[in-house]
Amino acid sequence: DSGVTQTPKHLITATGQRVTLRCSPRSGDLSVYWYQQSLDQGLQFLIQYYNGEERAKGNILERFSAQQFPDLHSELNLSSLELGDSALYFCASSPGAGILPNYGYTFGSGTRLTVV
Amino acid sequence: EDQVTQSPEALRLQEGESSSLNCSYTVSGLRGLFWYRQDPGKGPEFLFTLYSAGEEKEKERLKATLTKKESFLHITAPKPEDSATYLCAVQDTSGTYKYIFGTGTRLKVLA
Repeated sequence: DSGVTQTPKHLITATGQRVTLRCSPRSGDLSVYWYQQSLDQGLQFLIQYYNGEERAKGNILERFSAQQFPDLHSELNLSSLELGDSALYFCASSPGAGILPNYGYTFGSGTRLTVV
Repeated sequence: EDQVTQSPEALRLQEGESSSLNCSYTVSGLRGLFWYRQDPGKGPEFLFTLYSAGEEKEKERLKATLTKKESFLHITAPKPEDSATYLCAVQDTSGTYKYIFGTGTRLKVLA
């Protein structure tokens, strides 16, 4: 157990629907990152939150949005889903206060989203 | 734009057959280069961080090295349990902590 909790583990939904993915960061970590992993594109950075504030944006579609709550958990909302949104969605966390020597992100186990 | 390219895409080795994985990168300013291991259906697991050219890190059968343009992950006498996808990522000096990942090398070690 990495300490980063993602729910649900699997999600199957129809095109056009909206889903919410949830992430609880490792205890003490202030930053949350969302990544999308598809077979052909690898891990693509979507968005970063640090202590409740959006810190960086990557290749996140306008149909997608995220937020980080006061208890530091984060939610990724995906709407008007398309077949191409099927992927693994990972959340990762880090202390966020600076780079610690020999420290990387802690990743969750991911949510596998299948759009049918 | 930051870019990370990993090669080969896939590698099959016999147990005990040493080899190297390559990660070449283009980044305006390198804050750090990271290696991760990812098993099927799981999230990436942190292995190493390298910060400057010439730096080396070791963990069991793995050794990571860094130059100004690329990093190598050397696997010495691999075992079947080393089979996984190895991911390389860079962090730039833009003030955020996001990673740019390569697409990974899928390693299969045969007994």
